[in-house]
Amino acid sequence: ETGVTQTPRHLVMGMTNKKSLKCEQHLGHNAMYWYKQSAKKPLELMFVYNFKEQTENNSVPSRFSPECPNSSHLFLHLHTLQPEDSALYLCASSQGVSSYEQYFGPGTRLTVT
Amino acid sequence: QKEVEQDPGPLSVPEGAIVSLNCTYSNSAFQYFMWYRQYSRKGPELLMYTYSSGNKEDGRFTAQVDKSSKYISLFIRDSQPSDSATYLCAMSARSGTYKYIFGTGTRLKVLA
Repeated sequence: ETGVTQTPRHLVMGMTNKKSLKCEQHLGHNAMYWYKQSAKKPLELMFVYNFKEQTENNSVPSRFSPECPNSSHLFLHLHTLQPEDSALYLCASSQGVSSYEQYFGPGTRLTVT
Repeated sequence: QKEVEQDPGPLSVPEGAIVSLNCTYSNSAFQYFMWYRQYSRKGPELLMYTYSSGNKEDGRFTAQVDKSSKYISLFIRDSQPSDSATYLCAMSARSGTYKYIFGTGTRLKVLA
């Protein structure tokens, strides 16, 4: 595997479910990011991790809970989501948080029913 | 007013055409500009990165920044069907930051 991978690629969940999104980067980067991409809206930065430490929480509701066990893996734990949370969730990584070049994964298409 | 405005398209052009994709912005402090390309069912990939005003060329792609008009453009020469994708602009006032403001993206279709 190369680059940034995300699983699952598609997820349908009910509002009472708990699920997790997984991201793995094979680039040796130190910074990882979660973004939300909704139709007709700009990309929204959600969380930033630098050397496994969270450095940014962009006012994200607590029903989204990130976890970064090491610099290569990033999770997004989901619980009690709302239909408006349906979107494409993108993971990205970069050499460091000061690097402008981010490498994105293919995303997880989430549908909340 | 949105900080970054981008026409959503879709923009349909014949193969071989010159394509012009544009973003306007309201924050005069923006100095660092990027263009990303996003294919269907893929994440965005960085195409061009520019600083301040002027042009930058990379193969068939040219990025242009007009800070006086708060307007940036991406030109694609000799467009190919493989250029069909959504193009996102992004910008920031500072270097060494991950905090870029993105446009909503323009969907481009190049017809064979």
